[in-house]
Amino acid sequence: AQRVTQPEKLLSVFKGAPVELKCNYSYSGSPELFWYVQYSRQRLQLLLRHISRESIKGFTADLNKGETSFHLKKPFAQEEDSAMYYCAPRLPSGNTPLVFGKGTRLSVIA
Amino acid sequence: NAGVTQTPKFQVLKTGQSMTLQCAQDMNHNSMYWYRQDPGMGLRLIYYSASEGTTDKGEVPNGYNVSRLNKREFSLRLESAAPSQTSVYFCASSHNTAGDGTQYFGPGTRLLVL
Repeated sequence: AQRVTQPEKLLSVFKGAPVELKCNYSYSGSPELFWYVQYSRQRLQLLLRHISRESIKGFTADLNKGETSFHLKKPFAQEEDSAMYYCAPRLPSGNTPLVFGKGTRLSVIA
Repeated sequence: NAGVTQTPKFQVLKTGQSMTLQCAQDMNHNSMYWYRQDPGMGLRLIYYSASEGTTDKGEVPNGYNVSRLNKREFSLRLESAAPSQTSVYFCASSHNTAGDGTQYFGPGTRLLVL
């Protein structure tokens, strides 16, 4: 069963426009949620985790338990944000590997 | 520190051939993982090793075997390669599976099976 959904395969926005990459999950309980990013010719790396409530490179993500969502947002997109973004929940038990979504490719147009 | 290293970077196989993908980490991590990345399918977990001496199946284990050789090394073997195994393979490691969720990825191995 699909546990994490990233509905957009590709998202194109203009530089300076707001961007929102959607992620919905279908776990019961309280999973931990992460966003990973893969820039061109670079390794996949952790962008942010919901438990830290942090802002990394201007990105934030709020866990909405009611909507079971963890959308990634940035108010003003930059060209260097162009990358592949993966939402990754971890089952509520905690002692299991991450499960990655299918990913959304963000393209920021100058 | 090199982090997570993978060899080879690129490989072409004929259907039925076998090969082993190597992965090593120098961060003293307990847990290691093998993923495959395919267009439109995202990252799918093949096998993982929560700690030295243990291995577990992931989402797509069929056609693969793994060996946790020691704490540093985790290899992935294709006994009889099939075209459906054409993919980019990523190895990753983390302190533990129950840690803070930070996984460190290798650069990937691009495999083409003809």
